[in-house]
Amino acid sequence: EAQVTQNPRYLITVTGKKLTVTCSQNMNHEYMSWYRQDPGLGLRQIYYSMNVEVTDKGDVPEGYKVSRKEKRNFPLILESPSPNQTSLYFCASSPYGGGESGELFFGEGSRLTVL
Amino acid sequence: GDSVTQMEGPVTLSEEAFLTINCTYTATGYPSLFWYVQYPGEGLQLLLKATKADDKGSNKGFEATYRKETTSFHLEKGSVQVSDSAVYFCALSDPMDSSYKLIFGSGTRLLVRP
Repeated sequence: EAQVTQNPRYLITVTGKKLTVTCSQNMNHEYMSWYRQDPGLGLRQIYYSMNVEVTDKGDVPEGYKVSRKEKRNFPLILESPSPNQTSLYFCASSPYGGGESGELFFGEGSRLTVL
Repeated sequence: GDSVTQMEGPVTLSEEAFLTINCTYTATGYPSLFWYVQYPGEGLQLLLKATKADDKGSNKGFEATYRKETTSFHLEKGSVQVSDSAVYFCALSDPMDSSYKLIFGSGTRLLVRP
């Protein structure tokens, strides 16, 4: 089954404790991206990657890092989480730039709470 | 910059009622427009899209027409079902944006009662 898998789905952590949210897709997509969803704000892009070893900042990259060492994986790293990073995070992928076709394939989301 | 504005929710309807969810956009270029749907506990799924003015996107009984003169892309369905209860997001993409990102509205929650 074609899918984007995120882990963990739910996480409660404390300020400053480094964490990684993993994302893996099995569709051989070149483009991957991370969004965060906050009430009243919709989804905002954090980082994106056009291909292996090619990553770039989105609209809200502060406090986040990413890497793309393999085509299928695109982990989101929070080096020192803060309470304002409490949010619902979505990983998404597309066979090419999502903007061309508009069809992004989303994972089920990871709900992160930072105390 | 580009932006998308959706009507506030929740929208509560009875089964078989007519649905309209308003969406307007601001863009400097000629964006493509989309509706995504998010069912409870799931990620977003593309519902329909339109890539140029006067195009009509349709899927699963939902329709939306790209209106350049009013910068709108309202979502409609003639007869909603309980299973349509979800959050609906209007979004746009700028073909000239090298990040290929989608710009989303804030989402509109639809509740359909039996």
